[in-house]
Amino acid sequence: DTAVSQTPKYLVTQMGNDKSIKCEQNLGHDTMYWYKQDSKKFLKIMFSYNNKELIINETVPNRFSPKSPDKAHLNLHINSLELGDSAVYFCASSRGFSGGNTIYFGEGSWLTVV
Amino acid sequence: DAKTTQPPSMDCAEGRAANLPCNHSTISGNEYVYWYRQIHSQGPQYIIHGLKNNETNEMVSLIITEDRKSSTLILPHATLRDTAVYYCIVRADTSGTALIFGKGTTLSVSS
Repeated sequence: DTAVSQTPKYLVTQMGNDKSIKCEQNLGHDTMYWYKQDSKKFLKIMFSYNNKELIINETVPNRFSPKSPDKAHLNLHINSLELGDSAVYFCASSRGFSGGNTIYFGEGSWLTVV
Repeated sequence: DAKTTQPPSMDCAEGRAANLPCNHSTISGNEYVYWYRQIHSQGPQYIIHGLKNNETNEMVSLIITEDRKSSTLILPHATLRDTAVYYCIVRADTSGTALIFGKGTTLSVSS
């Protein structure tokens, strides 16, 4: 079984649409993350939740809203999609949210906005 | 978190050892050194991490200098499947920290 799984793996959508990417981890971890990798291949942290509570919220447009219904899930909802939102989005998780806890990543969701 | 410096690219012959250097001269006492790699079109993969001592697992060895200002990731027998971008990341052992990725080193293993 995949430890951190994301759906969908590929998503092509039009500008202005609203879409969601789902993430689930079966590792029993308390902390989950969303990262974005743009066309220049830079990986940047977007959000982090610990026990369903938001602990990291980087400078991300309000159109991006994470939602954590329980510790095992962290979904990313994006409103009014723009061309610049095209990227690969990675979900990740760790046992805890301090630096000694290893972070494990999913395989990514490729979002293309046309 | 302290900044890291890595060479942008390295080449290695298949079967030889690959030694990937990382400079983190401003590292502080409570910061871990993490190594991840990203194979094309896949998610970042955890490799190893250390605080002060050298570390080894079934895949690699991590050598941290005594002053902790630099480290080297050693792949003892590189294979074609080790071709990837390798990231050296320093992360504080405090609450609410995430991995901050730099540009990494692109390792190309050839036959």
